[in-house]
Amino acid sequence: EPEVTQTPSHQVTQMGQEVILRCVPISNHLYFYWYRQILGQKVEFLVSFYNNEISEKSEIFDDQFSVERPDGSNFTLKIRSTKLEDSAMYFCASSEQFFEQYFGPGTRLTVT
Amino acid sequence: DAKTTQPNSMESNEEEPVHLPCNHSTISGTDYIHWYRQLPSQGPEYVIHGLTSNVNNRMASLAIAEDRKSSTLILHRATLRDAAVYYCINAGGTSYGKLTFGQGTILTVHP
Repeated sequence: EPEVTQTPSHQVTQMGQEVILRCVPISNHLYFYWYRQILGQKVEFLVSFYNNEISEKSEIFDDQFSVERPDGSNFTLKIRSTKLEDSAMYFCASSEQFFEQYFGPGTRLTVT
Repeated sequence: DAKTTQPNSMESNEEEPVHLPCNHSTISGTDYIHWYRQLPSQGPEYVIHGLTSNVNNRMASLAIAEDRKSSTLILHRATLRDAAVYYCINAGGTSYGKLTFGQGTILTVHP
């Protein structure tokens, strides 16, 4: 069964550093998303992406965040200058239509 | 997105049916009712979604009240693998796929 994959599984970075989280969505999916979950808290929507542009973004997704689909298979989330509060599990998801989203296993980001 | 209300936790025995309720009294006419679950240390997993009619798939059934102000996710025979947090989400219209997760219902399945 096709699945969403994410790399790395765990990323440790220092405050102020840039990080790029990578995702390979399911191949025939057209809609891509990033969510995050701070330990012990709710899953939070960050951004949705379709047709090479952002469809919707949350208040969390400020100028420090950006997304890109650099080629036909990858979907990336970049955090320009990480803060301690960016420490969380980041989930990528994809879908054929808006809903029935398939989530990846997540990347645990630890900012020290 | 309309707010949903779910019990904080529920318990079930293995191989018994489980009915997980959700109230969404402010749901809009274009919102779908979605259910996702999150197993421990994993990403959310799609379970089922519907608009007005009851829906069945290989994982579960979704029963939607006639006035759409509530719904019930039915797991026909719970297994230990069904122990997870279950989220009921109303979304649709112009939300471009944005899912707003609440706290969900923690389902414990006893052997």
